[in-house]
Amino acid sequence: GNSVTQMEGPVTLSEEAFLTINCTYTATGYPSLFWYVQYPGEGLQLLLKATKADDKGSNKGFEATYRKETTSFHLEKGSVQVSDSAVYFCALGGSQAGTALIFGKGTTLSVSS
Amino acid sequence: KAGVTQTPRYLIKTRGQQVTLSCSPISGHRSVSWYQQTPGQGLQFLFEYFSETQRNKGNFPGRFSGRQFSNSRSEMNVSTLELGDSALYLCASSLAGGRTNEKLFFGSGTQLSVL
Repeated sequence: GNSVTQMEGPVTLSEEAFLTINCTYTATGYPSLFWYVQYPGEGLQLLLKATKADDKGSNKGFEATYRKETTSFHLEKGSVQVSDSAVYFCALGGSQAGTALIFGKGTTLSVSS
Repeated sequence: KAGVTQTPRYLIKTRGQQVTLSCSPISGHRSVSWYQQTPGQGLQFLFEYFSETQRNKGNFPGRFSGRQFSNSRSEMNVSTLELGDSALYLCASSLAGGRTNEKLFFGSGTQLSVL
């Protein structure tokens, strides 16, 4: 079945460091891929998405490219801020109508000043 | 525009009891999905309702059920609570015109503790 594997955390960085959170997937068909972020005490918010191979999603300085050849959707940011501290989830969209997402286990990012 | 509202925010129950959680989607959204979030299993899909019909269901026992009302508000019910049901239950809404790449809007969740 479909699945998502993302790197385990926690990831601890200093402000302005480069961030990469790896995400790989297994899926049939051509699923959509997402990154969601969860700040402490809140629900998840969509950070970015890509709907087909080679698409690049971007938002708030974060980027991720849908790589079908490596079945990956790694999240990157060139210079992290303390306010980026949160839990990041990679997710795979279903192939049928409906909105059942398959989430990775989440990666906790902690950025210190 | 108001976001997704989940009530209550916190809930404490004992084993064997039942519980009902409520979710009000964003106005105009017709799809409501429920997810269970635990430290060990992460986020797992429970079910999705669209226009009062269950359209999709995850791999959870029948003790977990839900429904959606004509105003798109949704409730989920867990009967005969077990310790392992302790989790953050998240509700998400979307316009759900049938596309699979729609953005989900999540509520802040209901934190259920079973003692």
